[in-house]
Amino acid sequence: AQRVTQPEKLLSVFKGAPVELKCNYSYSGSPELFWYVQYSRQRLQLLLRHISRESIKGFTADLNKGETSFHLKKPFAQEEDSAMYYCALFSGGYNKLIFGAGTRLAVHP
Amino acid sequence: DTEVTQTPKHLVMGMTNKKSLKCEQHMGHRAMYWYKQKAKKPPELMFVYSYEKLSINESVPSRFSPECPNSSLLNLHLHALQPEDSALYLCASSQDEVRGETEAFFGQGTRLTVV
Repeated sequence: AQRVTQPEKLLSVFKGAPVELKCNYSYSGSPELFWYVQYSRQRLQLLLRHISRESIKGFTADLNKGETSFHLKKPFAQEEDSAMYYCALFSGGYNKLIFGAGTRLAVHP
Repeated sequence: DTEVTQTPKHLVMGMTNKKSLKCEQHMGHRAMYWYKQKAKKPPELMFVYSYEKLSINESVPSRFSPECPNSSLLNLHLHALQPEDSALYLCASSQDEVRGETEAFFGQGTRLTVV
């Protein structure tokens, strides 16, 4: 079965603290994974995709096939990072993007 | 143009009304999607169109009827909805997985209230 699990509903940190948003997946083939972010009153937008291996707004995510994980990390959180973060799995053959339940990141001053 | 545009932004409709949601993209994407998002929940896939043909219907009730008139447009026709259908309806598009471009671009959504 194809599934994305984000175990934390809420992650609350202080500004400057490190952040790790967890994502685990279940997929029989070679996974294609994304992190999407939804800021308050804004559209859902792509933050990272695993194939590009880039850093966006200081965030990075590494695919670990052994642990079936794609955790999102940032060494020093900023208040403007406060948002809803969704991990998503692309299911090949069906053009189907499957979302995890989401983690709300709250960064306090 | 890297945007997906949805109209209207807000819609209030009665349970006996018929209305339509519209979505447009001019990025040449060949896959288009309708998602439903309830408050504090992730988007739930409803329909997928691939090359203007319906490829996925996630067991959506028939009171929701999608239509893809051409490669740039996607409609969602609504009829006899229930109050529990009130939600944010998101449209998205992506290129083509054959070309390895699977990033989905989302519209701002239509906030639907059924009264």
